[in-house]
Amino acid sequence: GAVVSQHPSRVICKSGTSVKIECRSLDFQATTMFWYRQFPKKSLMLMATSNEGSKATYEQGVEKDKFLINHASLTLSTLTVTSAHPEDSSFYICSARDKAGRGNTIYFGEGSWLTVV
Amino acid sequence: SQQGEEDPQALSIQEGENATMNCSYKTSINNLQWYRQNSGRGLVHLILIRSNEREKHSGRLRVTLDTSKKSSSLLITASRAADTASYFCATDAWNQGGKLIFGQGTELSVKP
Repeated sequence: GAVVSQHPSRVICKSGTSVKIECRSLDFQATTMFWYRQFPKKSLMLMATSNEGSKATYEQGVEKDKFLINHASLTLSTLTVTSAHPEDSSFYICSARDKAGRGNTIYFGEGSWLTVV
Repeated sequence: SQQGEEDPQALSIQEGENATMNCSYKTSINNLQWYRQNSGRGLVHLILIRSNEREKHSGRLRVTLDTSKKSSSLLITASRAADTASYFCATDAWNQGGKLIFGQGTELSVKP
């Protein structure tokens, strides 16, 4: 089946530094990828929609300059958390929609745990 | 914005019993999907039901959709301890640009 890979699965960074999380579709092309954030025991909150070759569309309340999204190819989207602070610590999950349109199923990555110390 | 509301928020049952989780939403949808998430892990897609469908089965899972009430239910029959996880509904609406909006989730605990 379709696979979406996220890397790294866990990362610890110091306050003030930036960290990049990658989301790759391994066996299909994804014109659209989505980034979610999840706090412990809470639901997934959509942060932004990543569109290949164009700017990401951010949800209300999400800081564009804080969470930089780049979708440079049909198989890769990256989320960069800039000038990270402890409150940015969270579980970040990406998903991808198959360009070829295999039904309406969205494929999710395994998620990335970010801890800012 | 998050639109889905699920109940119950937490459900604890014994192995062998059935578990029913409900989801309500606010806008018109293209389809509704159910996902499972083990603690600290990614999401596993369980089942998708389209707006013109009323019921769908997959193994021990049964999903219903009532578009007039904007609600869906997920039934897990003959539950097992391995079914312990969080379950989320997510709506894919025509006017949402292809993004999924998740409900708050139900935390299911199946005791052996």
